[in-house]
Amino acid sequence: GQNIDQPTEMTATEGAIVQINCTYQTSGFNGLFWYQQHAGEAPTFLSYNVLDGLEEKGRFSSFLSRSKGYSYLLLKELQMKDSASYLCAVRVRNSGYALNFGKGTSLLVTP
Amino acid sequence: EPEVTQTPSHQVTQMGQEVILRCVPISNHLYFYWYRQILGQKVEFLVSFYNNEISEKSEIFDDQFSVERPDGSNFTLKIRSTKLEDSAMYFCASGLAANNEQFFGPGTRLTVL
Repeated sequence: GQNIDQPTEMTATEGAIVQINCTYQTSGFNGLFWYQQHAGEAPTFLSYNVLDGLEEKGRFSSFLSRSKGYSYLLLKELQMKDSASYLCAVRVRNSGYALNFGKGTSLLVTP
Repeated sequence: EPEVTQTPSHQVTQMGQEVILRCVPISNHLYFYWYRQILGQKVEFLVSFYNNEISEKSEIFDDQFSVERPDGSNFTLKIRSTKLEDSAMYFCASGLAANNEQFFGPGTRLTVL
């Protein structure tokens, strides 16, 4: 089976930086994805890591350590519109390339 | 920018009735998926589909569920006899290749009464 853990809720201030952690336990790891989901909407792809290290895309960066089963999503220069749920998802080899999602971290950005 | 579309946006049905949820994946994508999200819970994988056959299915995807790609554009999920616990948001997703990111449609909110 798989176990994906992320904090349930986080709060941060507009303009600040926030780091959302995700730990996972799985065999046959084949990539880690971060998605953003606003309430009542579909998940939107943010980033993807399959090798160790940092991937940067504008205000969003994602880091992966496969040996530690650990990833984080870093959001810089927070904006009010960044208030959303952030979903960590792991893909496993020989799983039809299905994504296995964590429960998500609800981020509230305050003025 | 191309996107995945789904119809209907909302579906209300009586327990025991059949429903068909429809999806139009991004046109050049080859891999198709259905996920569901019960209110307040995590997104759960149902089934993946490639080359006109199911690649993988989860424990949720029992004999009451089926998928079909009836033509070159549509991808459907059928629930034969709906149960109360099938009430959820159903998301279709597609990907260009197996190891690429998956793009999600806006979802169909299914309510079973």
